[in-house]
Amino acid sequence: NAGVTQTPKFRILKIGQSMTLQCAQDMNHNYMYWYRQDPGMGLKLIYYSVGAGITDKGEVPNGYNVSRSTTEDFPLRLELAAPSQTSVYFCASSTSDRAYEQYFGPGTRLTVT
Amino acid sequence: AQSVTQPDIHITVSEGASLELRCNYSYGATPYLFWYVQSPGQGLQLLLKYFSGDTLVQGIKGFEAEFKRSQSSFNLRKPSVHWSDAAEYFCAVLRRGSGAGSYQLTFGKGTKLSVIP
Repeated sequence: NAGVTQTPKFRILKIGQSMTLQCAQDMNHNYMYWYRQDPGMGLKLIYYSVGAGITDKGEVPNGYNVSRSTTEDFPLRLELAAPSQTSVYFCASSTSDRAYEQYFGPGTRLTVT
Repeated sequence: AQSVTQPDIHITVSEGASLELRCNYSYGATPYLFWYVQSPGQGLQLLLKYFSGDTLVQGIKGFEAEFKRSQSSFNLRKPSVHWSDAAEYFCAVLRRGSGAGSYQLTFGKGTKLSVIP
């Protein structure tokens, strides 16, 4: 199993550009999550999904959108990139009965200039 | 609201020395508490968990943590640190999410551990 994969690993965006961060898992997990990590701030939940077709906002959803058309994939969309979105983004997944045991991808480092 | 606080931003220990990383929680009932580790350039990995029962829990890589309700703490310990333990450590609490049947982790801000050879 590859686990949780994320692409790209690094990306530089100009202000106002848009992009999609890809996330896929091959563990048949129902739950998937997007976090952002800023230095000294821990991880903040952006969006999460409890199954295909079901998504919900986390703590810091503004400026982001998600979709979950399949169990495996959970892309994160940035429509109008802003410098405040410079961060490291982590995707994670878990089973529904062990939501505390999340499996994380390697992260995407995004810089918006 | 449920939250966790990690008072130490950065700790440095010598290899072979003992380690204790602090975590304090804020929660009305018995919390579900966790420690995760993040090695440089990697995602997070679950070290150990506490739900109920025995207040001393064992985890992977030789780590343990003790739940103390009277102090609202869940400190992580290791008797002898190895250079490979250098990483960032996050305490987390499980809370119910806004969606039906959903649960979410709330993470502390992390403690970075440096190990001197």
